[in-house]
Amino acid sequence: QKEVEQDPGPLSVPEGAIVSLNCTYSNSAFQYFMWYRQYSRKGPELLMYTYSSGNKEDGRFTAQVDKSSKYISLFIRDSQPSDSATYLCAITGTYKYIFGTGTRLKVLA
Amino acid sequence: DSGVTQTPKHLITATGQRVTLRCSPRSGDLSVYWYQQSLDQGLQFLIQYYNGEERAKGNILERFSAQQFPDLHSELNLSSLELGDSALYFCASSILDRDEKLFFGSGTQLSVL
Repeated sequence: QKEVEQDPGPLSVPEGAIVSLNCTYSNSAFQYFMWYRQYSRKGPELLMYTYSSGNKEDGRFTAQVDKSSKYISLFIRDSQPSDSATYLCAITGTYKYIFGTGTRLKVLA
Repeated sequence: DSGVTQTPKHLITATGQRVTLRCSPRSGDLSVYWYQQSLDQGLQFLIQYYNGEERAKGNILERFSAQQFPDLHSELNLSSLELGDSALYFCASSILDRDEKLFFGSGTQLSVL
């Protein structure tokens, strides 16, 4: 079993839609949960991070963590074509910093 | 711009050869991470250094080695290259030894022919 599982997509949505991206993890020792955005052939950039269960909001982005279910989500409101990218979840808490395989998102104008 | 510098941006070489990838972390960051990204494998953790010392090792092949120098820049050495080593290699840095925030460079695209 992989330590982090992420649906690879691709996911295509119309502009303005709400996007939901999800990951599950297996080890409850992980304490920090991150979302990165990666444009094609570029380095990933950190979007959001959190360490507690619940929601964290930043503009159009909301990160949600459910530690009891080992489930993390990223919601994008009012999605824009510029949001088209690969979104990677990541978890850490030990010396391991593990990424999901990424979900490719395309927002259609 | 993340502040992490990787050189070269592109590298084309032949099987059996050896190459060195270089990374300069953000100013003030003590920790450097190396990742390999290929289409079918996602972002795979290779190795982490903190202030010159190896901190964690992932799925790094024995043909690969890395080090972090006193000025905190890092090099990843890949030897006896195989076709399957073709990938994007990313370096990331962070302030702390264990940090939730990583800052990535733009990567080195390695093509082994």
